[in-house]
Amino acid sequence: DSGVTQTPKHLITATGQRVTLRCSPRSGDLSVYWYQQSLDQGLQFLIQYYNGEERAKGNILERFSAQQFPDLHSELNLSSLELGDSALYFCASSALEGHSPLHFGNGTRLTVT
Amino acid sequence: QKEVEQDPGPLSVPEGAIVSLNCTYSNSAFQYFMWYRQYSRKGPELLMYTYSSGNKEDGRFTAQVDKSSKYISLFIRDSQPSDSATYLCAMSGAAGNKLTFGGGTRVLVKP
Repeated sequence: DSGVTQTPKHLITATGQRVTLRCSPRSGDLSVYWYQQSLDQGLQFLIQYYNGEERAKGNILERFSAQQFPDLHSELNLSSLELGDSALYFCASSALEGHSPLHFGNGTRLTVT
Repeated sequence: QKEVEQDPGPLSVPEGAIVSLNCTYSNSAFQYFMWYRQYSRKGPELLMYTYSSGNKEDGRFTAQVDKSSKYISLFIRDSQPSDSATYLCAMSGAAGNKLTFGGGTRVLVKP
C-alpha cells in the first residue's frame, strides 16, 4: 500500500458531463501529481501541485482543472467529457517539490459512454 | 519518436531465470531514473530510484544507467511468478519532478 488514496475507484458517466476525482497524498507529502494512463498514450503527466500551489503543467486539456486544498488533498475536475477521456487517472505524491520518489495511488477508472 | 522507448513485450521467462528489461531515451537532460512495477488494476509501484550513471542493487533487483548511451536497464534475479507484471521505466530532468514514462514491458514468469 503506497499510502496514496484515490476515490472513487470507478466512474461511469456520459459525454458532456463533469466529474471530480479526489486524491489524498501520503502522510507528510506536500507535492501531488496527476497522471492519465490510456492504452495508446501510456502514462502522461497532467499537473503538479506543491503545498497548494500549481508547480508544473503537462498535457492537460483546458476542460480539465485541478486544485490542492489546505489539508493537502487534491481534486481533478474533468468537464465536457468526451469518449476519448476514458482512461485511468492516477494521483501520486512526493515529499518534496523537486527530486524525490513519486508514490502512486491505485487510480480512478473513468468510462465515458 | 517518443522521448522514452520501451519494448512492450510480452517477455516470457521460466521461474528462476533472470529478467532483463531496458529503455532508451533521447533527452540528454534526464538525470533521475526510476523503475516501476504495475500489476493489473493497480497503480505503479516504485522499485528503483537512481541518479545519473552507475549501478544500484536492492535485493533481487539491479538497475543500471548508462547516460553516454542513453540506455537504462533493470535486472530481476531468481524471478518468481509474482514478478509477472508490467514494468515501466521513468525519468526526469534537473528541473522539477515531472516524470516521462516508457510505454511499459509486460513480463510473464511461468512456474
